[in-house]
Amino acid sequence: AQSVAQPEDQVNVAEGNPLTVKCTYSVSGNPYLFWYVQYPNRGLQFLLKYITGDNLVKGSYGFEAEFNKSQTSFHLKKPSALVSDSALYFCAVREGYAGKSTFGDGTTLTVKP
Amino acid sequence: DTEVTQTPKHLVMGMTNKKSLKCEQHMGHRAMYWYKQKAKKPPELMFVYSYEKLSINESVPSRFSPECPNSSLLNLHLHALQPEDSALYLCASSPSSWDRNNEQFFGPGTRLTVL
Repeated sequence: AQSVAQPEDQVNVAEGNPLTVKCTYSVSGNPYLFWYVQYPNRGLQFLLKYITGDNLVKGSYGFEAEFNKSQTSFHLKKPSALVSDSALYFCAVREGYAGKSTFGDGTTLTVKP
Repeated sequence: DTEVTQTPKHLVMGMTNKKSLKCEQHMGHRAMYWYKQKAKKPPELMFVYSYEKLSINESVPSRFSPECPNSSLLNLHLHALQPEDSALYLCASSPSSWDRNNEQFFGPGTRLTVL
């Protein structure tokens, strides 16, 4: 079975500092990895995905993610955090059969002014 | 139009009521999904429709009944729910269910409270 893990429930950073939200994965075969963000009382919004190719993936709102096959990680990063980045972030892996997505438990990012 | 819409935004119902949640997308996506999400938890998959046919039912109790009238619409019929069914119900769509390249597009959700 495929799975992703987000080892941190909560990440706190100061505005303007770089941020990292961690995700590790366990899959058989090639990984199809996604990051989503959820603001309070809203649905999930797609940020970026890794399918194949460059290990550094660029996405929406200045976010990027680094795929590391040897460490089975797909960490979300941003060079300079904004207060408006405060939200709940989910890492997910997509299964090929029937379109199931498996989500991590989520990481709450708080960016303080 | 890259939006998934859901109605109503909020719903309060008693345990004997019958209500329906509605989801709509006009992106031409052929896969649609229902998820249940508790506060600060990941979404839990309930149902997947592929080309208007139910392809996955994640052992959801029969008090939840999905329906896909056409490729743009997805309904979730609710009957005799329990208080523990209170949650945010999310609808999502993607171009297809079997192509792992595709991200899912989520609606804003319906906040359901069962009294």
